[in-house]
Amino acid sequence: QKEVEQDPGPLSVPEGAIVSLNCTYSNSAFQYFMWYRQYSRKGPELLMYTYSSGNKEDGRFTAQVDKSSKYISLFIRDSQPSDSATYLCAMSANNFNKFYFGSGTKLNVKP
Amino acid sequence: GAVVSQHPSWVICKSGTSVKIECRSLDFQATTMFWYRQFPKQSLMLMATSNEGSKATYEQGVEKDKFLINHASLTLSTLTVTSAHPEDSSFYICSARPRIQETQYFGPGTRLLVL
Repeated sequence: QKEVEQDPGPLSVPEGAIVSLNCTYSNSAFQYFMWYRQYSRKGPELLMYTYSSGNKEDGRFTAQVDKSSKYISLFIRDSQPSDSATYLCAMSANNFNKFYFGSGTKLNVKP
Repeated sequence: GAVVSQHPSWVICKSGTSVKIECRSLDFQATTMFWYRQFPKQSLMLMATSNEGSKATYEQGVEKDKFLINHASLTLSTLTVTSAHPEDSSFYICSARPRIQETQYFGPGTRLLVL
């Protein structure tokens, strides 16, 4: 079993839709959770970073962590064609030098 | 803030030559830098983790004599692909972890094509 599971998609939605991207994990020691956006042929860009359980909002993006279920989500409101990219979740425990990445979900927002 | 640069952004070389890729944290000090490789439509594959002033830690299956990593300062790490072959063609991405921060910031990547 992988440490982090993420549906590869592709996920195709119409412009303006609410998008929900999810990851599950198996290691209860994970404390730090990140979401990255990667456009084709570019390096990943950090979108959201959260610690422990709870929600964090930044503009159209909301990150949610449910440690009891070992489940994290990224919600994108009012999705735009420019949101079309691959979204990677990542997480780490107290050893900051070891990060675990999901395989990425490819999102396509149609105009 | 938290900008990481990579140079070059793309490189084409002949088989057997060596290629050096630089990774710099422009506005923060990075105690740890990571090097990844990514094949088309695949996820990131961690190659090695380097801490400033010490030897890099390589992931299983990554040849340390082929992929030389140097982390000489808190803002610079280099990856040298020695005696490159066509199978080394890939997208190489570095990332840097700032001091006292539990995340990493990625560079834009370097596309390597070995002919």
